[in-house]
Parts: sequence; structure tokens; C-alpha cells
Amino acid sequence: DTGVSQNPRHKITKRGQNVTFRCDPISEHNRLYWYRQTLGQGPEFLTYFQNEAQLEKSRLLSDRFSAERPKGSFSTLEIQRTEQGDSAMYLCASSLGPGGGETQYFGPGTRLLVL
Amino acid sequence: DAKTTQPTSMDCAEGRAANLPCNHSTISGNEYVYWYRQIHSQGPQYIIHGLKNNETNEMASLIITEDRKSSTLILPHATLRDTAVYYCIVGGSGTYKYIFGTGTRLKVLA
Repeated sequence: DTGVSQNPRHKITKRGQNVTFRCDPISEHNRLYWYRQTLGQGPEFLTYFQNEAQLEKSRLLSDRFSAERPKGSFSTLEIQRTEQGDSAMYLCASSLGPGGGETQYFGPGTRLLVL
Repeated sequence: DAKTTQPTSMDCAEGRAANLPCNHSTISGNEYVYWYRQIHSQGPQYIIHGLKNNETNEMASLIITEDRKSSTLILPHATLRDTAVYYCIVGGSGTYKYIFGTGTRLKVLA
């Protein structure tokens, strides 16, 4: 257990529905990241927060995706109008930065299946 | 594209040392080398990281070449529980996002 928690751990939804995932980082960590991982591939970066500011979004993050970190603590990732291609593991990580050698600690992930 | 190159798969006998290589020829001076592993259906687990010097912790050792263009992760006495996908990542110190490759699938054989 890294101290990063994610809920739910699994989500099955029908195409077109909206889903929201939550990430609770390690408490003193000011940086929070979302990644997506599909079968057989390494995780791909989606977005990054420093405190409550969202500082970068990957082009993988289409308009249907939105992420927030309202008080600089937990974060939510919402997917609107889900598509079958959204089926993946969504991973959250946190780190303490800035600083050299900062290490990201990952949560267990939320596995999404869109039917 | 990933900044690292790793073999797709490796086998290792239980109890023997597992040596996992990684090439990162374009690493810049302030970038670190990180190693993570991912056991099926779990989030990536941090193993070790280093900048220039060799590093050792309770899980593994990291050997970085003097020119920093490659590194080797050493699991000194591999067990069946070390079977996982191992990722070598270059980043940190401003390059905050990790770019994962496809990693090395290590299978420890009984």
C-alpha cells in the first residue's frame, strides 16, 4: 500500500453514461497525476496538478474528460458520454515537488469497462 | 515516445540474480533513472531511482554507467513474487510526467 487510494476499484458502465473516479493522494504530496493504461501497454500520461492548478493536459484527454483537484487534496476524473475505447485502467499518482528526484507513488487504479 | 529501450521479456531462475538492462542514450544531465514494476492488475510499484551513482535499497540495486546512457536493475535473489513487468523511466527534476515504454516482462522460474 503506497498511501494513494483510488475509488472505485472497478467500474462497469454502458456506452454513453458518465463516470467519475476519485483519487486520494499521500497527504503531504502537492503534485497529482492521472495516467491511463490499456492492455499490454505502459501507462500513458493524461494530466498533472500542482496543488489545485491543472498545469498540463495530454492530447489524449479529449473534451469528454475533465479532471479537478478543488482544494489541492483529492482529485476527480470524470468521463462524459463514455465510449468503448475508454475501457482501460485509470491510474493516479502523487509526488512531493518540486525538487530533484521526486518519486511518483501510484494508487491501485480504477479499471473501467464500457459495454 | 519513450526515452528508454528495454528487452521485451526475460526469464530468471528462482534464487538467482535478475539483471534487467535499460538504454537511455538521450538522458539529460538533470534527469533521473527510475525503476518501477507492475504485477498483474495492480498499480506500478516504485523500486529505486538514481542520478549518477549506483544505488541500493532493500528491494534492488541500480547500476548506472558512467556516461549515464544505460543502467541495470539487479534483483539479487529473485523469487516467484518478482514475476512482473519492469519499467525503466527517465524523468524528474522538472520533467514531471513519466513516459512509460512497454517494459520488460520478467518471469521467475521455479
